[in-house]
Amino acid sequence: DTGVSQDPRHKITKRGQNVTFRCDPISEHNRLYWYRQTLGQGPEFLTYFQNEAQLEKSRLLSDRFSAERPKGSFSTLEIQRTEQGDSAMYLCASSTRLAGALETQYFGPGTRLLVL
Amino acid sequence: SQKIEQNSEALNIQEGKTATLTCNYTNYSPAYLQWYRQDPGRGPVFLLLIRENEKEKRKERLKVTFDTTLKQSLFHITASQPADSATYLCAPASNSGYALNFGKGTSLLVTP
Repeated sequence: DTGVSQDPRHKITKRGQNVTFRCDPISEHNRLYWYRQTLGQGPEFLTYFQNEAQLEKSRLLSDRFSAERPKGSFSTLEIQRTEQGDSAMYLCASSTRLAGALETQYFGPGTRLLVL
Repeated sequence: SQKIEQNSEALNIQEGKTATLTCNYTNYSPAYLQWYRQDPGRGPVFLLLIRENEKEKRKERLKVTFDTTLKQSLFHITASQPADSATYLCAPASNSGYALNFGKGTSLLVTP
């Protein structure tokens, strides 16, 4: 399977704990995105990497969130001191810029986080 | 502020009919617009992309129109099937941007 993969698929944690999610993008894609999606809403952008450089962070990404992409391949998203409001689906997507500056993002299956 | 609006109500149609989903946007000047399908508990799957200079795009039973004057895109599924039941998301995009901004999606239910 050469699609985007995410691990774990589900995570239940207690409030105040730290959690880390992993995303493995499509291998030839140099761009990687993290989104968050809550019930009844579309995905909301969190952060974006081009290769190993984190080029943009949304204001949704509080200080408790940190993302890395150390070698320009897989990425991790860590949430420290989780809160119940962090419960959501965390989606990873990857892309590569097409000719004519069009871009399609390919999404992974997501990690569903439940904070108790 | 930028806003993307999709049919807020779920769309229920009978198998074999054409489903039409609407995406309206304000305070955007997208160079292109994408439609994604999302099944429960899964990530969005790319369906179609239409450029601002294209009026219509087709792929099998899917058709997308893009009217930059009305700031609207319509997404049609002809000869709908129960397997088409899902949430459909639209995402207008610019050439200079990178993150996708999605509407809330429209839930489609096709009944036999």
